[in-house]
Amino acid sequence: GAGVSQSPSNKVTEKGKDVELRCDPISGHTALYWYRQSLGQGLEFLIYFQGNSAPDKSGLPSDRFSAERTGGSVSTLTIQRTQQEDSAVYLCASSSGQGVHEQFFGPGTRLTVL
Amino acid sequence: AQSVAQPEDQVNVAEGNPLTVKCTYSVSGNPYLFWYVQYPNRGLQFLLKYITGDNLVKGSYGFEAEFNKSQTSFHLKKPSALVSDSALYFCAVRDLGVGNNDMRFGAGTRLTVKP
Repeated sequence: GAGVSQSPSNKVTEKGKDVELRCDPISGHTALYWYRQSLGQGLEFLIYFQGNSAPDKSGLPSDRFSAERTGGSVSTLTIQRTQQEDSAVYLCASSSGQGVHEQFFGPGTRLTVL
Repeated sequence: AQSVAQPEDQVNVAEGNPLTVKCTYSVSGNPYLFWYVQYPNRGLQFLLKYITGDNLVKGSYGFEAEFNKSQTSFHLKKPSALVSDSALYFCAVRDLGVGNNDMRFGAGTRLTVKP
């Protein structure tokens, strides 16, 4: 596609519910990244994929967070039993490779946990 | 692990004046350095990057950044600021010495250019 897309753009949920956030990277991009941006904060690295595998899951804040990528394309970030502190903007980015390549970001999903 | 510091939460400049947004980094190996900009209600956009070679890197919208290895800095600069440059700016680093692929971002600096 023309750019990275994310859905939904906004998600309001109740504490304790599970949510799924979706990311469609730029076609052909092998690397995919998830970040979290809390209000007034920088970007917090969550996880990255190279193809369908996730070599670095070190940024996932707890075992309630998980992510998968299928077919080397679409990725979903799942948050189970959401808590109010999970409220943030979740950003996805993709790049055409590793190392020198810049990342292209999606518009983000704003998650609000009531 | 690699890290980035943006010491200023906020930078205010008058239109037409030069601007500098500061960034310092810490890595174990050689760094790849990036600047991104986030305009209101929009996603992050890539501005420029330093990989190797000339320490002065030129990027989009008239921005440039200077890599200084001795000071471990990568400050973003523009000779003449525009009101439309007002946005949130993020510095990021990838550490070649570690061999992983995650990128560490700074906390961001909000640039306000006043007419």
